Amino acid sequence: DIQMTQSPSSLSASVGDRVTITCRASQGITNYLAWYQQKPGKVPKLLIYAASTLQSGVPSRFSGSGSGTDFTLTISSLQPEDVATYYCQKYNSALAFGQGTRLEIK
Amino acid sequence: EVQLVESGGGLVQPGGSLRLSCAASGFTFSNYAMSWVRQAPGQGLEWVSSSSGSGGTTNYADSVKGRFTISRDNSKKTLYLQMNSLGAEDTAIYYCAKHGQGTSTSCYQCAFDLWGQGTMVTVSS
Repeated sequence: DIQMTQSPSSLSASVGDRVTITCRASQGITNYLAWYQQKPGKVPKLLIYAASTLQSGVPSRFSGSGSGTDFTLTISSLQPEDVATYYCQKYNSALAFGQGTRLEIK
Repeated sequence: EVQLVESGGGLVQPGGSLRLSCAASGFTFSNYAMSWVRQAPGQGLEWVSSSSGSGGTTNYADSVKGRFTISRDNSKKTLYLQMNSLGAEDTAIYYCAKHGQGTSTSCYQCAFDLWGQGTMVTVSS
């Protein structure tokens, strides 16, 4: 099975910082990659699909890139409401999530 | 309103069974693949099972294969998860999720664009 590995597992950044989270697949998945945001006590929310397409209604400070095995989620200017855990997910053949990245405000 | 509402969770003894339901509204249920995803307390997301819109194609995580069965009744706009031989490792919030991205329909290999609020399953004696 293809494994999804996120890094870092947690990070702390200041408001206004540029934040990057990485997701690596153990085998190539072309662009079958999504990113989700889960705020504490809330339901996961789709941010990006097809590696780089922003879901409708998601702020433009979020962006995704990558293809094959290496992917990134970038927040261009961190806002207080972005405190959450972020998950990548592959959705070709067997589905799988990364282990999550917890983002906090410094 | 477009929404998914799960029900059927609760406390069950090890080795027991439970059936979860997910009622859909606000969209043409039969056009969309659906999945179950679970989240153990304080842990990450784990995909459990998926069903195509017709129910003719289903897939399971290795951790539940042979114990869980996904099904759907498109006339009732409801997705089900029959869970048998439950163990402590199955304790989690169970979410149902709709497959979709952009304007796509009938997309099995899609992200999950709508999630229910979840139902808690606790396996304990």
